Amino acid sequence: SQQGEEDPQALSIQEGENATMNCSYKTSINNLQWYRQNSGRGLVHLILIRSNEREKHSGRLRVTLDTSKKSSSLLITASRAADTASYFCATAETGGSYIPTFGRGTSLIVHP
Amino acid sequence: SQTIHQWPATLVQPVGSPLSLECTVEGTSNPNLYWYRQAAGRGLQLLFYSVGIGQISSEVPQNLSASRPQDRQFILSSKKLLLSDSGFYLCAWNPDTADYGYTFGSGTRLTVV
Repeated sequence: SQQGEEDPQALSIQEGENATMNCSYKTSINNLQWYRQNSGRGLVHLILIRSNEREKHSGRLRVTLDTSKKSSSLLITASRAADTASYFCATAETGGSYIPTFGRGTSLIVHP
Repeated sequence: SQTIHQWPATLVQPVGSPLSLECTVEGTSNPNLYWYRQAAGRGLQLLFYSVGIGQISSEVPQNLSASRPQDRQFILSSKKLLLSDSGFYLCAWNPDTADYGYTFGSGTRLTVV
């Protein structure tokens, strides 16, 4: 199974700025998912984008998917201190099981 | 609505002792169930998954085992813990269909001493 890789590994910004995280993967996928994990907690599902979709929005979150480049980005606009967390992408391979594999995450710190 | 419960939240166990972590899901039937382990600062490693009662698939050979005695119950066990079993254990579920995200439990922090 493949693994998405997030970039950067760590990101530190000021409240009100936008935060962009990227995810790259290696083979064809059915979908790509983004999750948030607050320190010491379980992961929370943010957005799922299917392979035939290019962009998806949810509140202050915007996810793009470029299957030709095998990459995705997660944009958090007007960030808040409460957005401080680790963000993971997970990819589900085409023709494989429904089980996505996770990257190592981007650690986002938003300074108030 | 569906909920997932995982307990205990924290556990400190001596080397060589047994382990039992439990996860239950409410509000749905026939869920896919998963156990993941997360080492400090690392991504998630899939340990076991189950698509039905008594059906367990293991992803990584190790000192752990899993069981699914009921449709919405998933148990992670060990007969003798190793120091390397320390980590953050997460249970998750999703419907048995494509294009659905996971719902995770709140996790168990296991420290083997």
